Amino acid sequence: NAGVTQTPKFRILKIGQSMTLQCAQDMNHNYMYWYRQDPGMGLKLIYYSVGAGITDKGEVPNGYNVSRSTTEDFPLRLELAAPSQTSVYFCASTGTWGSSNYGYTFGSGTRLTVV
Amino acid sequence: QQQVKQSPQSLIVQKGGISIINCAYENTAFDYFPWYQQFPGKGPALLIAIRPDVSEKKEGRFTISFNKSAKQFSLHIMDSQPGDSATYFCAASLQGSSNTGKLIFGQGTTLQVKP
Repeated sequence: NAGVTQTPKFRILKIGQSMTLQCAQDMNHNYMYWYRQDPGMGLKLIYYSVGAGITDKGEVPNGYNVSRSTTEDFPLRLELAAPSQTSVYFCASTGTWGSSNYGYTFGSGTRLTVV
Repeated sequence: QQQVKQSPQSLIVQKGGISIINCAYENTAFDYFPWYQQFPGKGPALLIAIRPDVSEKKEGRFTISFNKSAKQFSLHIMDSQPGDSATYFCAASLQGSSNTGKLIFGQGTTLQVKP
């Protein structure tokens, strides 16, 4: 049981480049989330999805896009990378509240540096 | 009103001592309060969680104390060990009346337990 798998683990981007952060879970969780973690700021929600084909903005969505074509995958797209997007990105998933598989599982993160 | 404020930002405790981390929230509709533990280079992992209908929950050396009237909750780590050195995040969520499962995180506390 792999849980939540994020790739890549590290990446350096130049300003203006684009990339996709991959996230996959094998727990049949309906809910998936992307957070960014900056020092002293906690985790801020970027985008989330409550099921395949359904996505919505979180607290800090500007400069990012997501899609959810399957239950398992929830990629995060960065367009026109900026230094302000230098951060550690975490993907998480959970089953629905009240279900036997409720409980956030986080991936191990992607450390992104934009130079 | 969606914020969760966590203190202190950092904490140094001697081995065997008690570590206390505090969180405060504004939204009285929050109904789920988890604590996460994060080691360097890893994603956060659920440590312990509480619902507002109980005032205390204990799991091993970890205890959550919950004060509904003050809108505060805290994590107590008894007999702190060097292996407890990590970053701790409190969080809050609207689970019962929401179908998104979104968590609002505090800013995090870096705990160092000295041997």
